[in-house]
Amino acid sequence: IAGITQAPTSQILAAGRRMTLRCTQDMRHNAMYWYRQDLGLGLRLIHYSNTAGTTGKGEVPDGYSVSRANTDDFPLTLASAVPSQTSVYFCASSKAGGSYNEQFFGPGTRLTVL
Amino acid sequence: GQNIDQPTEMTATEGAIVQINCTYQTSGFNGLFWYQQHAGEAPTFLSYNVLDGLEEKGRFSSFLSRSKGYSYLLLKELQMKDSASYLCAVRDSNYQLIWGAGTKLIIKP
Repeated sequence: IAGITQAPTSQILAAGRRMTLRCTQDMRHNAMYWYRQDLGLGLRLIHYSNTAGTTGKGEVPDGYSVSRANTDDFPLTLASAVPSQTSVYFCASSKAGGSYNEQFFGPGTRLTVL
Repeated sequence: GQNIDQPTEMTATEGAIVQINCTYQTSGFNGLFWYQQHAGEAPTFLSYNVLDGLEEKGRFSSFLSRSKGYSYLLLKELQMKDSASYLCAVRDSNYQLIWGAGTKLIIKP
């Protein structure tokens, strides 16, 4: 693994189904983030984690949950998907959450909820 | 509320210079980032400004004026591969990034 990986690359999901988007990084970064990107809008932060064992809510957390059991993995779960969650989801990481450090992004997951 | 404004789309000619502006109103300021995003790909880091002035990095430069809530990204000697979206993001008082919607730059031969 080099950098950040996300799985799946794309997914079509029926409304009401549960879905977990996976994110793994091998850079030993403390901070990790989940964003969604929608046409015409900036990236919007869903949840973040400044270090393993802690998580926080971003701008648009409703309908999503995260966990950070270890440094490398930061899965995002949609408990019961709705069509408005159709989006491209990016996972990102940085060395630390509170100081300057660029964020490195995974390749994204394109999710369609029907 | 927090707001980042950028032009939606710009067009420029190969070999020319283009300036992409970004204005912001955020709760606190802890730095401004520019990212490049090619269609269908992830954003990648271009530059970071926290103090007023110009930061130069090869063909790309970024300028910041904190008193005006303003930044620009300057791209020189444009190449076709520079066709992409350019995202402006400000780190706010909670050290979270607030993102603009991005500027789609179209390069014509």
